[in-house]
Amino acid sequence: EAGVAQSPRYKIIEKRQSVAFWCNPISGHATLYWYQQILGQGPKLLIQFQNNGVVDDSQLPKDRFSAERLKGVDSTLKIQPAKLEDSAVYLCASSARQLSGANVLTFGAGSRLTVL
Amino acid sequence: AQSVTQLDSQVPVFEEAPVELRCNYSSSVSVYLFWYVQYPNQGLQLLLKYLSGSTLVKGINGFEAEFNKSQTSFHLRKPSVHISDTAEYFCAVSGAGSNYKLTFGKGTLLTVNP
Repeated sequence: EAGVAQSPRYKIIEKRQSVAFWCNPISGHATLYWYQQILGQGPKLLIQFQNNGVVDDSQLPKDRFSAERLKGVDSTLKIQPAKLEDSAVYLCASSARQLSGANVLTFGAGSRLTVL
Repeated sequence: AQSVTQLDSQVPVFEEAPVELRCNYSSSVSVYLFWYVQYPNQGLQLLLKYLSGSTLVKGINGFEAEFNKSQTSFHLRKPSVHISDTAEYFCAVSGAGSNYKLTFGKGTLLTVNP
Protein backbone atom coordinates (compact mmCIF):
# COMPACT_ATOMS: atom_id res chain seq x y z
CA GLU A 1 0.00 0.00 0.00
CA ALA A 2 1.14 3.56 -0.58
CA GLY A 3 2.52 5.31 2.48
CA VAL A 4 1.74 8.66 4.04
CA ALA A 5 2.67 11.44 1.61
CA GLN A 6 3.88 14.83 2.78
CA SER A 7 4.99 17.99 0.99
CA PRO A 8 7.08 19.99 0.81
CA ARG A 9 10.02 18.06 2.26
CA TYR A 10 11.96 21.21 3.03
CA LYS A 11 10.96 24.84 3.52
CA ILE A 12 12.96 27.89 4.54
CA ILE A 13 11.13 31.08 5.47
CA GLU A 14 11.77 34.23 7.42
CA LYS A 15 10.08 34.93 10.73
CA ARG A 16 6.60 36.41 10.47
CA GLN A 17 6.03 34.74 7.09
CA SER A 18 3.46 32.01 6.62
CA VAL A 19 3.86 28.39 5.53
CA ALA A 20 1.59 25.46 4.79
CA PHE A 21 2.25 21.73 4.85
CA TRP A 22 0.17 19.09 3.14
CA CYS A 23 -0.47 15.48 4.07
CA ASN A 24 -2.19 12.62 2.28
CA PRO A 25 -2.77 9.65 4.61
CA ILE A 26 -2.94 5.96 3.80
CA SER A 27 -6.17 5.18 2.02
CA GLY A 28 -8.87 4.12 4.44
CA HIS A 29 -7.15 5.43 7.57
CA ALA A 30 -9.71 7.41 9.52
CA THR A 31 -7.33 8.98 12.01
CA LEU A 32 -4.72 11.57 11.04
CA TYR A 33 -2.11 13.21 13.25
CA TRP A 34 0.29 16.12 13.01
CA TYR A 35 3.39 15.97 15.19
CA GLN A 36 6.12 18.56 15.73
CA GLN A 37 9.66 17.26 16.21
CA ILE A 38 12.19 19.81 17.39
CA LEU A 39 15.84 18.86 16.96
CA GLY A 40 16.98 16.58 19.77
CA GLN A 41 13.48 15.88 21.05
CA GLY A 42 10.79 13.31 20.56
CA PRO A 43 7.74 14.10 18.43
CA LYS A 44 4.98 16.10 20.13
CA LEU A 45 1.35 15.77 19.06
CA LEU A 46 -0.11 18.99 17.71
CA ILE A 47 -3.50 17.80 16.50
CA GLN A 48 -5.43 14.57 15.94
CA PHE A 49 -8.35 14.18 13.53
CA GLN A 50 -10.91 11.39 13.43
CA ASN A 51 -12.32 11.59 9.89
CA ASN A 52 -12.77 15.37 9.54
CA GLY A 53 -13.40 16.10 13.22
CA VAL A 54 -10.79 17.22 15.76
CA VAL A 55 -10.17 14.74 18.60
CA ASP A 56 -7.29 16.50 20.36
CA ASP A 57 -5.70 19.89 19.66
CA SER A 58 -4.69 20.69 23.23
CA GLN A 59 -1.05 21.32 22.30
CA LEU A 60 -1.66 23.29 19.11
CA PRO A 61 -0.62 26.96 19.48
CA LYS A 62 -3.89 28.25 18.12
CA ASP A 63 -2.77 31.86 17.87
CA ARG A 64 -0.49 30.93 14.97
CA PHE A 65 -1.15 27.32 13.97
CA SER A 66 -4.22 26.00 12.20
CA ALA A 67 -5.07 22.68 10.62
CA GLU A 68 -7.93 21.28 8.64
CA ARG A 69 -8.89 17.96 7.13
CA LEU A 70 -11.38 18.50 4.39
CA LYS A 71 -13.61 15.56 3.44
CA GLY A 72 -11.80 13.38 5.97
CA VAL A 73 -8.85 12.64 3.69
CA ASP A 74 -6.04 15.16 3.00
CA SER A 75 -4.93 17.59 5.65
CA THR A 76 -3.15 20.94 5.71
CA LEU A 77 -1.20 22.44 8.61
CA LYS A 78 -0.59 26.19 8.46
CA ILE A 79 1.66 28.47 10.49
CA GLN A 80 1.06 32.21 10.38
CA PRO A 81 3.09 34.13 11.43
CA ALA A 82 6.08 31.87 11.93
CA LYS A 83 8.50 32.31 14.82
CA LEU A 84 12.11 31.17 15.14
CA GLU A 85 11.06 28.47 17.62
CA ASP A 86 8.79 26.89 14.99
CA SER A 87 11.88 25.47 13.25
CA ALA A 88 11.24 21.74 13.38
CA VAL A 89 10.21 18.71 11.38
CA TYR A 90 6.45 18.41 10.99
CA LEU A 91 5.41 14.78 10.82
CA CYS A 92 2.08 13.56 9.57
CA ALA A 93 0.83 10.13 10.53
CA SER A 94 -2.31 8.10 9.98
CA SER A 95 -3.77 5.01 11.62
CA ALA A 96 -6.49 2.45 11.43
CA ARG A 97 -7.74 0.88 14.62
CA GLN A 98 -6.40 -2.58 15.36
CA LEU A 99 -8.59 -5.44 16.60
CA SER A 100 -7.07 -4.83 20.03
CA GLY A 101 -8.41 -1.28 19.99
CA ALA A 102 -4.95 0.28 19.63
CA ASN A 103 -4.06 2.89 17.07
CA VAL A 104 -0.82 1.95 15.30
CA LEU A 105 0.59 4.97 13.52
CA THR A 106 2.32 5.06 10.13
CA PHE A 107 4.41 8.17 9.59
CA GLY A 108 5.29 10.17 6.52
CA ALA A 109 8.84 11.35 5.77
CA GLY A 110 8.20 14.74 7.35
CA SER A 111 8.46 18.38 6.31
CA ARG A 112 11.52 20.20 7.65
CA LEU A 113 10.89 23.89 8.40
CA THR A 114 13.68 26.38 8.99
CA VAL A 115 12.65 29.84 10.18
CA LEU A 116 15.35 32.52 9.79
CA ALA B 1 -1.33 11.62 32.06
CA GLN B 2 1.38 9.40 30.66
CA SER B 3 5.09 9.90 30.09
CA VAL B 4 8.12 8.09 28.71
CA THR B 5 11.70 8.25 29.91
CA GLN B 6 14.52 7.01 27.72
CA LEU B 7 17.41 6.72 30.09
CA ASP B 8 20.24 7.12 27.58
CA SER B 9 20.41 9.92 25.04
CA GLN B 10 23.31 8.29 23.20
CA VAL B 11 24.55 4.70 23.03
CA PRO B 12 27.76 3.94 21.12
CA VAL B 13 28.55 0.29 20.41
CA PHE B 14 30.83 -1.71 18.17
CA GLU B 15 29.51 -3.76 15.28
CA GLU B 16 28.33 -7.27 16.23
CA ALA B 17 28.06 -6.34 19.91
CA PRO B 18 24.75 -6.69 21.77
CA VAL B 19 22.78 -3.58 22.66
CA GLU B 20 19.99 -2.61 25.04
CA LEU B 21 18.12 0.68 24.80
CA ARG B 22 16.22 1.45 27.98
CA CYS B 23 12.69 2.81 28.26
CA ASN B 24 10.51 3.42 31.31
CA TYR B 25 6.96 4.71 31.24
CA SER B 26 4.34 6.02 33.61
CA SER B 27 0.62 5.78 33.09
CA SER B 28 -2.48 5.55 35.23
CA VAL B 29 -4.19 3.19 32.80
CA SER B 30 -3.38 0.06 30.84
CA VAL B 31 -0.94 0.79 28.05
CA TYR B 32 0.19 -0.03 24.58
CA LEU B 33 3.93 0.31 23.99
CA PHE B 34 5.92 0.96 20.83
CA TRP B 35 9.45 1.38 19.54
CA TYR B 36 10.03 3.45 16.42
CA VAL B 37 13.29 4.00 14.49
CA GLN B 38 14.21 7.15 12.61
CA TYR B 39 17.00 7.16 10.05
CA PRO B 40 18.51 10.54 9.03
CA ASN B 41 16.09 12.76 7.12
CA GLN B 42 13.33 10.17 7.27
CA GLY B 43 10.09 9.69 9.15
CA LEU B 44 9.52 7.22 11.93
CA GLN B 45 9.26 3.52 11.15
CA LEU B 46 7.59 1.07 13.52
CA LEU B 47 10.05 -1.50 14.91
CA LEU B 48 7.71 -3.39 17.21
CA LYS B 49 4.69 -3.02 19.46
CA TYR B 50 3.20 -4.50 22.60
CA LEU B 51 -0.58 -4.53 22.60
CA SER B 52 -1.40 -7.58 24.70
CA GLY B 53 -0.40 -11.21 25.25
CA SER B 54 3.22 -12.36 25.42
CA THR B 55 5.47 -9.87 27.14
CA LEU B 56 8.37 -10.66 24.78
CA VAL B 57 7.77 -8.93 21.48
CA LYS B 58 9.80 -9.50 18.33
CA GLY B 59 10.09 -6.85 15.65
CA ILE B 60 11.81 -6.14 12.39
CA ASN B 61 15.57 -6.17 11.79
CA GLY B 62 16.22 -8.66 14.63
CA PHE B 63 15.06 -6.36 17.44
CA GLU B 64 12.99 -7.51 20.41
CA ALA B 65 11.59 -5.90 23.53
CA GLU B 66 10.19 -7.12 26.82
CA PHE B 67 7.24 -5.56 28.60
CA ASN B 68 7.75 -5.56 32.36
CA LYS B 69 4.63 -4.27 34.10
CA SER B 70 6.06 -4.34 37.63
CA GLN B 71 9.07 -2.26 36.59
CA THR B 72 7.08 -0.19 34.06
CA SER B 73 9.77 -0.83 31.48
CA PHE B 74 9.92 -1.76 27.81
CA HIS B 75 13.62 -2.15 26.96
CA LEU B 76 14.73 -2.77 23.38
CA ARG B 77 17.43 -5.34 22.64
CA LYS B 78 19.39 -6.76 19.75
CA PRO B 79 21.97 -9.53 20.20
CA SER B 80 24.29 -8.36 17.41
CA VAL B 81 24.12 -4.93 15.78
CA HIS B 82 25.14 -3.81 12.31
CA ILE B 83 26.43 -0.52 11.00
CA SER B 84 23.06 -0.05 9.33
CA ASP B 85 21.34 0.01 12.75
CA THR B 86 22.78 3.46 13.38
CA ALA B 87 19.72 5.66 13.90
CA GLU B 88 17.55 7.41 16.49
CA TYR B 89 15.22 5.12 18.45
CA PHE B 90 12.04 6.35 20.10
CA CYS B 91 9.97 4.60 22.74
CA ALA B 92 6.30 5.57 22.86
CA VAL B 93 3.25 4.82 25.02
CA SER B 94 -0.46 5.23 24.58
CA GLY B 95 -3.31 4.42 26.90
CA ALA B 96 -5.50 1.51 25.99
CA GLY B 97 -8.32 2.90 23.87
CA SER B 98 -8.59 4.46 20.46
CA ASN B 99 -8.51 8.11 21.54
CA TYR B 100 -5.46 7.99 23.80
CA LYS B 101 -2.65 9.96 22.20
CA LEU B 102 0.80 8.48 21.55
CA THR B 103 3.46 10.04 23.77
CA PHE B 104 7.11 9.75 22.79
CA GLY B 105 10.34 9.73 24.72
CA LYS B 106 13.19 12.04 23.77
CA GLY B 107 14.97 9.36 21.80
CA THR B 108 18.23 7.41 21.99
CA LEU B 109 20.85 7.83 19.31
CA LEU B 110 22.41 4.44 18.60
CA THR B 111 25.78 4.71 16.87
CA VAL B 112 27.33 1.48 15.64
CA ASN B 113 31.05 1.75 15.02
CA PRO B 114 33.16 -0.64 12.91
